Amino acid sequence: GAGVSQSPSNKVTEKGKDVELRCDPISGHTALYWYRQSLGQGLEFLIYFQGNSAPDKSGLPSDRFSAERTGGSVSTLTIQRTQQEDSAVYLCASSLLAGGSGANVLTFGAGSRLTVL
Amino acid sequence: AQSVTQLGSHVSVSEGALVLLRCNYSSSVPPYLFWYVQYPNQGLQLLLKYTSAATLVKGINGFEAEFKKSETSFHLTKPSAHMRDAAEYFCAVRGRDSGYALNFGKGTSLLVTP
Repeated sequence: GAGVSQSPSNKVTEKGKDVELRCDPISGHTALYWYRQSLGQGLEFLIYFQGNSAPDKSGLPSDRFSAERTGGSVSTLTIQRTQQEDSAVYLCASSLLAGGSGANVLTFGAGSRLTVL
Repeated sequence: AQSVTQLGSHVSVSEGALVLLRCNYSSSVPPYLFWYVQYPNQGLQLLLKYTSAATLVKGINGFEAEFKKSETSFHLTKPSAHMRDAAEYFCAVRGRDSGYALNFGKGTSLLVTP
């Protein structure tokens, strides 16, 4: 597609429920990233996928969070047993791997706003 | 891990005045540095990036940033603010020997007053 597409744009759920957030990256982009944006906290790195390599999960805050990327394209971020502190905007980004230049540019989606009641 | 610190969570300037948003990085080796902007209810857009080709980097919408190794800084400037520049600005860093994910600062909210 022309840009990074995320769905749903807004999600309200009850504490304890599971949620799935979807990201459709730019066609041809081999790298995909998930970030969390909380009020006053900036962007917190969650997880990064690169081609067929094992994902970098170093930013996932707990084992309630998981993500997968099927077929090297669409990714789903799953939050199990949601807590109120999970309320945030979840941003997805994708990029080409810039190889030697290293300065790969991330293109972001508009985000999925999650509210846990 | 590489990190950046943005000084000032809120900056207010008058329309037509100089915009200066501060960013300092922590790294012993010059990293890759970025500025992103987020307009209300929108995703992040890249303003400019530093890759070591030139220390003064020009970006979109009249913004520029200068990499200063001696000060470990990468401050964002614009000579004359417009009302449409009101947004959240994020500085980000990626180390040259780390993964491809970027580490972001906490952001600076720019308010432009008439």
